[in-house]
Amino acid sequence: AQSVTQLGSHVSVSEGALVLLRCNYSSSVPPYLFWYVQYPNQGLQLLLKYTSAATLVKGINGFEAEFKKSETSFHLTKPSAHMSDAAEYFCAVRAGDTPLVFGKGTRLSVIA
Amino acid sequence: NAGVTQTPKFRVLKTGQSMTLLCAQDMNHEYMYWYRQDPGMGLRLIHYSVGEGTTAKGEVPDGYNVSRLKKQNFLLGLESAAPSQTSVYFCASSTYRVAYEQYFGPGTRLTVT
Repeated sequence: AQSVTQLGSHVSVSEGALVLLRCNYSSSVPPYLFWYVQYPNQGLQLLLKYTSAATLVKGINGFEAEFKKSETSFHLTKPSAHMSDAAEYFCAVRAGDTPLVFGKGTRLSVIA
Repeated sequence: NAGVTQTPKFRVLKTGQSMTLLCAQDMNHEYMYWYRQDPGMGLRLIHYSVGEGTTAKGEVPDGYNVSRLKKQNFLLGLESAAPSQTSVYFCASSTYRVAYEQYFGPGTRLTVT
């Protein structure tokens, strides 16, 4: 069975600072990995996904993530935080023909 | 395309009452899912369906039933609501291709008193 661990339930950064949200996964087969964002009182929106092509994946709103098999990680980064990035972020893994398994989420706060 | 829609958006139930949540998708997706979201718990899978007429249990299926009579609809039922079922419920859909993402609806906020 696959699982996801998101390190840090809450991350706070200053506007313009680097955003780093950590995600580690466990899977017995090559995984597909996803990052979703949830703005207050809304559903989940896909930020980016890794599907075994390039290990560095670029997504919407300037976010990117790097798949590192040796570290079983898929950390999400953005060079410069914007106030509009404040939201909850979820990492998810899919191994084979199974539903997505989500991490518990990381709430990102951006301080002016 | 409307994508994934959920009805209703909000609902308050009393303990022991029953209700059905409706999810509809217009993307011709084969797979559909019901998740619940609770603070600090992320999203947990309740039930899912890989096609019309089929359903399967997820991580937290107890107290819920589902039906997929039509490809575009996936119903989630609570036969006898309990306060522990107070949550935000999300429906999602996807194609059968494993590399493709799940698309989510806007959610239903359910309170059981």
